[in-house]
Amino acid sequence: SQQGEEDPQALSIQEGENATMNCSYKTSINNLQWYRQNSGRGLVHLILIRSNEREKHSGRLRVTLDTSKKSSSLLITASRAADTASYFCATDMDTGRRALTFGSGTRLQVQP
Amino acid sequence: EPEVTQTPSHQVTQMGQEVILRCVPISNHLYFYWYRQILGQKVEFLVSFYNNEISEKSEIFDDQFSVERPDGSNFTLKIRSTKLEDSAMYFCASSDRGWTEAFFGQGTRLTVV
Repeated sequence: SQQGEEDPQALSIQEGENATMNCSYKTSINNLQWYRQNSGRGLVHLILIRSNEREKHSGRLRVTLDTSKKSSSLLITASRAADTASYFCATDMDTGRRALTFGSGTRLQVQP
Repeated sequence: EPEVTQTPSHQVTQMGQEVILRCVPISNHLYFYWYRQILGQKVEFLVSFYNNEISEKSEIFDDQFSVERPDGSNFTLKIRSTKLEDSAMYFCASSDRGWTEAFFGQGTRLTVV
């Protein structure tokens, strides 16, 4: 898989349920960031987790990072219809390269 | 809350024409970026800019592309002679340090006809 690959590609849940999205990457990272994109719109930064952190919370969002498995997960608790969007992980690789590498994204549909 | 602003939101241009996409990064940020997203595909890195020069560019960023910070606030992406395959959403981003969160603008949808 490529750097920053999310799964599942698509996820459909009912309002109130939790949504979990996963991201895997291949090279060492400085940090990993999650972004949200509503259809045809800009990228909204959700949360950044550094390579020395294991878990981070922000409101209904919980992000974990397992550097030994080179994977991260984004959990959205008590989902709402307004959470419907695409979610991307983006890695800041530990190569000195000043660029984020984005995954393909998970398209989340929350049914009201 | 400070934000990255991009203009125009949508630009239609004829193949072969030059386009300039404009961005105003967050004022105290030092690193600036352009990314693009072809419809239905991944967000791809184009170029990063720091201290008034390009610090990194991808293979996509060929001689047809250039960036400039003409004054203290604007950051522009120029495509010299557009091709059909340049049609995409172009995102500008900025960060205060290279390893912190990058804030993205709403994007400019470029359509080349």
